Amino acid sequence: NAGVTQTPKFQVLKTGQSMTLQCAQDMNHEYMSWYRQDPGMGLRLIHYSVGAGITDQGEVPNGYNVSRSTTEDFPLRLLSAAPSQTSVYFCASSLSGNREETQYFGPGTRLLVL
Amino acid sequence: GNSVTQMEGPVTLSEEAFLTINCTYTATGYPSLFWYVQYPGEGLQLLLKATKADDKGSNKGFEATYRKETTSFHLEKGSVQVSDSAVYFCAFNAGGTSYGKLTFGQGTILTVHP
Repeated sequence: NAGVTQTPKFQVLKTGQSMTLQCAQDMNHEYMSWYRQDPGMGLRLIHYSVGAGITDQGEVPNGYNVSRSTTEDFPLRLLSAAPSQTSVYFCASSLSGNREETQYFGPGTRLLVL
Repeated sequence: GNSVTQMEGPVTLSEEAFLTINCTYTATGYPSLFWYVQYPGEGLQLLLKATKADDKGSNKGFEATYRKETTSFHLEKGSVQVSDSAVYFCAFNAGGTSYGKLTFGQGTILTVHP
């Protein structure tokens, strides 16, 4: 199993540009989520999905869109990038969102918005 | 609201020293508790977890005990190695209306010198 994969590893954008961060998992996990990691703030939940076709907002959803057309893929879209979106983005997945489940993280995408 | 307070870092130790990283939480419901570790340039990986009061999670010589009465989950290791240098995150999943959401502390940077 490849686990959770993310592409790209690193991206530089100009303010106003759009892009999609890719996330895929091959563990047949129903629950997937996106977090951003900022210095001194831990990780914060952006969006999550409990299964194909079902998504919902997390703690910091503004400026981001998601969709889940398949169990495997959960892309994160930045519609109009802003410098405040400079961060490291992590995708995670687990069998379910039940409280005892271990969540598996991808290697991250480092995004710089100029 | 839900939150995690972690020991401020960075923590610098010599090899074979004893490690404690304090973690306390504020959560609604009855959360599961996790320690994740992030090695340089990598994503987060689960170090250990505990899902009910008085449970002890352990892995790679690290231990943490779920203390409901003090709402704590302190991480300990008796003898650290240079290879333990990483960022350590305490987190919980409270379940219920927070289904799937991990609430993280800000992370503690550990550096171990030979």
